[in-house]
Amino acid sequence: NAGVTQTPKFQVLKTGQSMTLQCAQDMNHEYMSWYRQDPGMGLRLIHYSVGAGITDQGEVPNGYNVSRSTTEDFPLRLLSAAPSQTSVYFCASSESSGASYEQYFGPGTRLTVT
Amino acid sequence: GDSVTQMEGPVTLSEEAFLTINCTYTATGYPSLFWYVQYPGEGLQLLLKATKADDKGSNKGFEATYRKETTSFHLEKGSVQVSDSAVYFCALSDGYALNFGKGTSLLVTP
Repeated sequence: NAGVTQTPKFQVLKTGQSMTLQCAQDMNHEYMSWYRQDPGMGLRLIHYSVGAGITDQGEVPNGYNVSRSTTEDFPLRLLSAAPSQTSVYFCASSESSGASYEQYFGPGTRLTVT
Repeated sequence: GDSVTQMEGPVTLSEEAFLTINCTYTATGYPSLFWYVQYPGEGLQLLLKATKADDKGSNKGFEATYRKETTSFHLEKGSVQVSDSAVYFCALSDGYALNFGKGTSLLVTP
């Protein structure tokens, strides 16, 4: 099992550009989520999905879109990048959305918006 | 809303020293509690968890006990190693998402 994979590892964007961060898991997990990590802020939830076709907003959803057409994939789209979106982005998955389930994290994408 | 507060770092210890990283939480329900660890340049990995009051999670010499009466989940290790240098995150979950503390950076020197 590859676990949770993310591409790209690094990306530099100019303000106003759009891009998609890819996330895939091969564990047949129902639940997937996106977090951003900023210095001194911990990780904050952007969007999550409890299954194919179902997504919802987290704590900091503005400027991001998601969709979940398959169990395996959960891409995160930046519609018009802003410097405030400079961050490290982590995708995570777990077997279910229950409180006791472990979440498995990808290696992260470091995004810089200039 | 739910929240987690953990001690600020960085924490610097000598090898074989005792480690405590404090974590307290606020939650309306009965959350599960977690410690995740992030090694440099990597994603987060689950270190240990506890799903109900008085549960003790343990892994790799680390321990934490879910204390409902003090709303705490402090991380401890009796003898740290250089390889334990990392950032440690306390987190809670009451269903759909993890609520993280800000992280505590630990540096262990030989």
